[in-house]
Amino acid sequence: QVTLKESGPGILQPSQTLSLTCTFSGFSLSTYGMGVGWIRQPSGKGLEWLANIWWDDDKYYNPSLKNRLTISKDTSNNQAFLKITNVDTADTATYYCARIIRVMDAWGQGASVTVSS
Amino acid sequence: DIQMTQSPASLSASLEEIVTITCKASQGIDDYLSWYQQKPGKSPQLLIYDATSLADGVPSRFSGSRSGTQYSLKISRPQVDDSGIYYCLQSYSTPYTFGAGTKLELK
Repeated sequence: QVTLKESGPGILQPSQTLSLTCTFSGFSLSTYGMGVGWIRQPSGKGLEWLANIWWDDDKYYNPSLKNRLTISKDTSNNQAFLKITNVDTADTATYYCARIIRVMDAWGQGASVTVSS
Repeated sequence: DIQMTQSPASLSASLEEIVTITCKASQGIDDYLSWYQQKPGKSPQLLIYDATSLADGVPSRFSGSRSGTQYSLKISRPQVDDSGIYYCLQSYSTPYTFGAGTKLELK
């Protein structure tokens, strides 16, 4: 059974760095073709893809976030990470991680993040 | 970036109808198109992948098709439990892009 769970700080202030962790089970990020993606969703709004990391450590980012994103992984501990620097109130959202095998086929429950002063 | 134009934004359907939601890609995406259902307070759930393949455990009343660069999700004889917001996603090239969503209400 594949499961993913996101964790984060809950609340942070503008200009801080948001650090998110995706802890998963039921698959390995060292398996050929496997990936983990991050997606976010502001309350009441649509979905926005942020970044992917692949089994071979290849990484892809959404250029709309202008180099603020860093994705990484810890294969031994079945975790993936996302950092967003210099957050603003516009980064307030629920953040999801998802397993990727050609498609995002399993998603975590989401972590709510609020940016507020 | 590939734009995914999804329509309609919302619809209300009866249990006897056939519901169709469409996503038009701004360029060819080689069937790297998936459909998701999202219920309030929950994460998106995969329904269809590779444009026409049914995900594991998804009822057969859901189906996907393609005509040119327009992709469609069809729900035949929808159930009350099919209410929610539906999104398409293209994963042909980064940045991956989602459609804006379709809110489906069953009456």
